Amino acid sequence: GQNIDQPTEMTATEGAIVQINCTYQTSGFNGLFWYQQHAGEAPTFLSYNVLDGLEEKGRFSSFLSRSKGYSYLLLKELQMKDSASYLCAVSLTTSGTYKYIFGTGTRLKVLA
Amino acid sequence: GAVVSQHPSWVICKSGTSVKIECRSLDFQATTMFWYRQFPKQSLMLMATSNEGSKATYEQGVEKDKFLINHASLTLSTLTVTSAHPEDSSFYICSARAGARPQHFGDGTRLSIL
Repeated sequence: GQNIDQPTEMTATEGAIVQINCTYQTSGFNGLFWYQQHAGEAPTFLSYNVLDGLEEKGRFSSFLSRSKGYSYLLLKELQMKDSASYLCAVSLTTSGTYKYIFGTGTRLKVLA
Repeated sequence: GAVVSQHPSWVICKSGTSVKIECRSLDFQATTMFWYRQFPKQSLMLMATSNEGSKATYEQGVEKDKFLINHASLTLSTLTVTSAHPEDSSFYICSARAGARPQHFGDGTRLSIL
């Protein structure tokens, strides 16, 4: 079956760096995406990786290792507004159609 | 700005009512639209995948006769929850994508059935 794992909760301090890990076991993989979701709101797109390596976008970076089924999202210079859930999603191709499978999300609390 | 518009944002209605939710891609033609449901403190669960002009593909366990999906054009998909009951109360979110680009989500619809 398809399986995606993320830590349930993390806590970090304002100004610090935090790494959120995601491991997956899937078939038909064709990309991994990270979304941010504040409570009561819809997810917003942060980054995605198709090939192995690091993608950097301002304070956010995402890394992928397809051979290890592993990704992480790195958040630098944490701000209070970064307190949210971070969803790891794997894009799969099944019978010629694309779909995402989401992890359960990691709730990040940023403390002053 | 928003690239996917979803409405209504909130619906409160009586048990037995049917509720229609609209999802529109604003500045691109969406080859595929997706409908998700999210319960409190849980992740998004894919309900169905909708391709323009063809029948939706439902995930296992999702009743196609209860959750009717129509994808009439490349910019509009609708989800109708028929004869809704309290257990259908949830946060429903649509997303749209063009080709292999990332999905963009609508703002979601919070459905409360009394």
